[in-house]
Amino acid sequence: ETGVTQSPTHLIKTRGQQVTLRCSSQSGHNTVSWYQQALGQGPQFIFQYYREEENGRGNFPPRFSGLQFPNYSSELNVNALELDDSALYLCASSSGLAGGPEYNEQFFGPGTRLTVL
Amino acid sequence: GQQLNQSPQSMFIQEGEDVSMNCTSSSIFNTWLWYKQDPGEGPVLLIALYKAGELTSNGRLTAQFGITRKDSFLNISASIPSDVGIYFCAGESGGSNYKLTFGKGTLLTVNP
Repeated sequence: ETGVTQSPTHLIKTRGQQVTLRCSSQSGHNTVSWYQQALGQGPQFIFQYYREEENGRGNFPPRFSGLQFPNYSSELNVNALELDDSALYLCASSSGLAGGPEYNEQFFGPGTRLTVL
Repeated sequence: GQQLNQSPQSMFIQEGEDVSMNCTSSSIFNTWLWYKQDPGEGPVLLIALYKAGELTSNGRLTAQFGITRKDSFLNISASIPSDVGIYFCAGESGGSNYKLTFGKGTLLTVNP
């Protein structure tokens, strides 16, 4: 069984640029969530996708957007990068919706370390 | 962004000692979760709690879902060096409007 994978592992961008981060779900999982983890902080929920539809969003501006594909892999796109966007971006996959009959808890990938200069 | 109130912020203990950490929130959650994160890795789920008042164990770990649904604690008994890491609580809400809110973490150091 393949776990959650993320690419790239590290990335350096400059302010104002755009970035796309990628996530492959664990086999059999149809739900993907994205988190931003600043240094010394807990992860902050960005959004969740279930079967290609957004299923919940945290307090992040619209320049943070996402996609989920038919194979349940996902992308996180961030436009107009700011210095404060420097963080570890974590992807997690799970099955179904929280509270639903097929739900199981999330498994996290190792993250993408984004540095904005 | 919102984060849960997790304490203590850090702990330095001797191998074999017991550890306790807790988390409180102003919001009610459907599920409380406890994760451990090692350097360079994503969080790993330790225990999930689904009902108010529930007490659940996983080996040397024990966690409880508070009766008010606004708090939880995690105990680690007889700590060992590999328990070192950052422990996070998280409150989960939703179904169709999902949110997972994390605490700021407890850094645990175990002295052999």
